[in-house]
Amino acid sequence: EVQMVESGGGLVQPGGSLKLSCAASGFSFSGSAIHWVRQASGKGLEWVGRIRTKTGDYATAYVESVRGRFTISRTDSENRAYLQMDSLRTEDTAVYYCTSSSSYYFDNWGQGTLVTVSA
Amino acid sequence: QSALTQPPSASGSPGQSVTISCTGTSSDIGGYDYVSWYQQHPGKAPKLMIFEVNKRPSGVPDRFSGSKSGNTASLTVSGLQAEDEANYYCNSYAGSNNWVFGGGTKLTVL
Repeated sequence: EVQMVESGGGLVQPGGSLKLSCAASGFSFSGSAIHWVRQASGKGLEWVGRIRTKTGDYATAYVESVRGRFTISRTDSENRAYLQMDSLRTEDTAVYYCTSSSSYYFDNWGQGTLVTVSA
Repeated sequence: QSALTQPPSASGSPGQSVTISCTGTSSDIGGYDYVSWYQQHPGKAPKLMIFEVNKRPSGVPDRFSGSKSGNTASLTVSGLQAEDEANYYCNSYAGSNNWVFGGGTKLTVL
């Protein structure tokens, strides 16, 4: 069974940091790019960023609004991906999903983890 | 990169067909055959329904179909069923390692 499980969400003050984790199983994790997608309460989906596979040199890409503040990484030996979020802003408050991708679409999704940025 | 444009709502009676549009630009939808559609029930994770414009993952009913013309993609749900009531989001690759979603359409089965 394919599973992706996010963890690490919580309440953080503006300007603070948080690191999300995504644990995957049931598919070829090392052969899949990993994306992060977020969704503010009552709003639509927003693509956050992506990390490629080892074959793709673990290249990362980010939406402009988080570039320079967020960093995606992965540990293939543990089937885990991470989203390091620094200099957090209130507008970063959202449910964050990790999702796998073997091409230009997102096939497996986690259940999401809530990040709240508030004083 | 601006979000793709979807109608906020759509509706149909059981058994009917409904089509949801998703309009972008020549830099995203019009430039690539990498349009995908996702179904999301309240409080749940999104689910891939259509990829590469018109392909269905295994397990997705053939009542769901996708198409594209120019800068606009469409998702058609035929033979509407109660469980199809959900939010639907389109997505397109937008070049330069960027992806963009639509604002979402709430599909109501009357």
